[in-house]
Amino acid sequence: AQTVTQSQPEMSVQEAETVTLSCTYDTSESDYYLFWYKQPPSRQMILVIRQEAYKQQNATENRFSVNFQKAAKSFSLKISDSQLGDAAMYFCAYRSDTGTASKLTFGTGTRLQVTL
Amino acid sequence: GAVVSQHPSRVICKSGTSVKIECRSLDFQATTMFWYRQFPKQSLMLMATSNEGSKATYEQGVEKDKFLINHASLTLSTLTVTSAHPEDSSFYICSASLLWTGTGGYTFGSGTRLTVV
Repeated sequence: AQTVTQSQPEMSVQEAETVTLSCTYDTSESDYYLFWYKQPPSRQMILVIRQEAYKQQNATENRFSVNFQKAAKSFSLKISDSQLGDAAMYFCAYRSDTGTASKLTFGTGTRLQVTL
Repeated sequence: GAVVSQHPSRVICKSGTSVKIECRSLDFQATTMFWYRQFPKQSLMLMATSNEGSKATYEQGVEKDKFLINHASLTLSTLTVTSAHPEDSSFYICSASLLWTGTGGYTFGSGTRLTVV
């Protein structure tokens, strides 16, 4: 079974600075998807960024980018120019590429605080 | 975009009663729906996977007779917590697969906070 590990329960960053959230995963599969989700206090899950394992290029979405190291099974999230609205729980998640019933496996989450 | 509407957002019920949570896909057909449970300050734990027109697949340790899942149509999936007890108090979230979009992604409902008193 796949596992996702987030080793940072809490992180803090100053507004306008850059922060990197860590995620590692364990799998024997070669094709899969990785995600970062944000859960603000409203508890609505919001997709931040997605990476297909077959793509070597790291995904980027505006201020959010990932460092995907397939051999090391590492998938970190970098948030640049942090804003107060970035404060939330961030979950790393893994999905097998095995069809429509493929489920998400979540890490334990990292709580990000953004300070002035 | 693909939206899943989840109701109710909050519910308080008495111990021993049943509560139904609904998730509706508003602008697409959700062939597969996932139901999660989230305890305070913890991650999302998958409870079950439901496919339209067939029985749900429950994760190990989840009581299928207590958490009844129905996915009778392509736009509606329900989770019924039967004979609820205080330990069932939690945050429940549904999620629909968006694999048909080619994005490999999912869309989530806004969650239901269940409190059993």
